[in-house]
Amino acid sequence: DQQVKQNSPSLSVQEGRISILNCDYTNSMFDYFLWYKKYPAEGPTFLISISSIKDKNEDGRFTVFLNKSAKHLSLHIVPSQPGDSAVYFCAASEGGSYIPTFGRGTSLIVHP
Amino acid sequence: NAGVTQTPKFQVLKTGQSMTLQCAQDMNHNSMYWYRQDPGMGLRLIYYSASEGTTDKGEVPNGYNVSRLNKREFSLRLESAAPSQTSVYFCASSEARNIQYFGAGTRLSVL
Repeated sequence: DQQVKQNSPSLSVQEGRISILNCDYTNSMFDYFLWYKKYPAEGPTFLISISSIKDKNEDGRFTVFLNKSAKHLSLHIVPSQPGDSAVYFCAASEGGSYIPTFGRGTSLIVHP
Repeated sequence: NAGVTQTPKFQVLKTGQSMTLQCAQDMNHNSMYWYRQDPGMGLRLIYYSASEGTTDKGEVPNGYNVSRLNKREFSLRLESAAPSQTSVYFCASSEARNIQYFGAGTRLSVL
């Protein structure tokens, strides 16, 4: 059973608009969440993270929101750029574990 | 700074053949990992090594073996390749909690 779910396999957005990528989790012990970005033929790269003691973390155009009661997090990209077109993976880990559990990814396409 | 280096980048095997995927990191990280990525399946952990001298199974270890040769190197071996092992394989390393650094991947086809 998937503990980290990204229910939208793909998302298409116009350049300049907001992209919102969603992630749900089932394990209430998860306390650290990460987003990775992956371009074709490359490995994933770390994008942004958030600890469960926070509900928001911002880094430039990227903001991650965490709603612990709903076991939901989202990644907002504002404004979206064509170079943001990639697969985005949500990941979560619990306690002292250094092993994250990954979602299946959402493919974002930003149209010029 | 090379980061995580994987070799080879591409490989085609026949069923039953064996091969070893190599991974090396130059960031002095303690932990290293092997993942496979299949369409629609995300990243699934095959094996990991929390520190030099230790290895543990991940979610999908069957058909694979690993060796943590030293702190820098972590290899993945397929003893008898099967078509189900056709996939893209990623090696990763980490030090700070959970932020992993990935190699560029090895694309493996088993015919």
